[in-house]
Amino acid sequence: AQTVTQSQPEMSVQEAETVTLSCTYDTSESNYYLFWYKQPPSRQMILVIRQEAYKQQNATENRFSVNFQKAAKSFSLKISDSQLGDTAMYFCAFILDGQNFVFGPGTRLSVLP
Amino acid sequence: DVKVTQSSRYLVKRTGEKVFLECVQDMDHENMFWYRQDPGLGLRLIYFSYDVKMKEKGDIPEGYSVSREKKERFSLILESASTNQTSMYLCASSSGQGSSQPQHFGDGTRLSIL
Repeated sequence: AQTVTQSQPEMSVQEAETVTLSCTYDTSESNYYLFWYKQPPSRQMILVIRQEAYKQQNATENRFSVNFQKAAKSFSLKISDSQLGDTAMYFCAFILDGQNFVFGPGTRLSVLP
Repeated sequence: DVKVTQSSRYLVKRTGEKVFLECVQDMDHENMFWYRQDPGLGLRLIYFSYDVKMKEKGDIPEGYSVSREKKERFSLILESASTNQTSMYLCASSSGQGSSQPQHFGDGTRLSIL
C-alpha cells in the first residue's frame, strides 16, 4: 500500500522569507505522480504543483518549486518570497493511476507579517 | 475552469437520519471521489467512481454508500448518520485520460451530526 507522510503538522514563516515543507512517501511502483495541494482557510483546495516520477528535473511554478529525490522517496515543496496569501494547509499527494490518490495529513503554514 | 459544486457548505443533521450529500462537476470528468477531512488525518477516501453506475470502495466506506446515475453527479449517502460522521466532506473529480491528471475539488460540506 502507498503511504504519504508529512512530518511537520504546523510551520510558520515571515513574509518574504523562504520555507520548505517536507513530504515522504512509500511505494514499490516506479511510475507515479506527486502533487502539492493548497487549502486556504475556508476555501477550496487547489493544485499548486505536480511532478512526474520519471522526470528528473524538479518542477517549478512561479514562487513554488519542488525538490524531488526519487531514491529517497522525498518530495519537498519550497515557497520563495512567502506572501500572506500563502497561509493555508498544504497537502502532499501521490497518484499511482488515474483513480488511486493518497494524501498526506497536511502541514498548516502560517505566513507572518 | 473546472467547477465542482457541492450542494451545501454547512449541514446539521440528527443521529439516525439518512443524509444525502450531492456533488456536480461540469467538465465531463470520468472520475469522481468522496473524501472526508479530519484534523491530523488529512483526506481519507470514502468511495470513488470511474464511470456512470460504477463505484469502488475507498479506505473508509463503512457507514456510507454512493450513487452515480449520471456522469456529472456523484452522491454520498449516510444511511443512518452517527456522531462519528461529523466531519468535512470533500468531493473531487478528475479526467480519466491518463494517470497524471490532478483532482479538482469542491468547496466542501461541513456536516455536523447531533
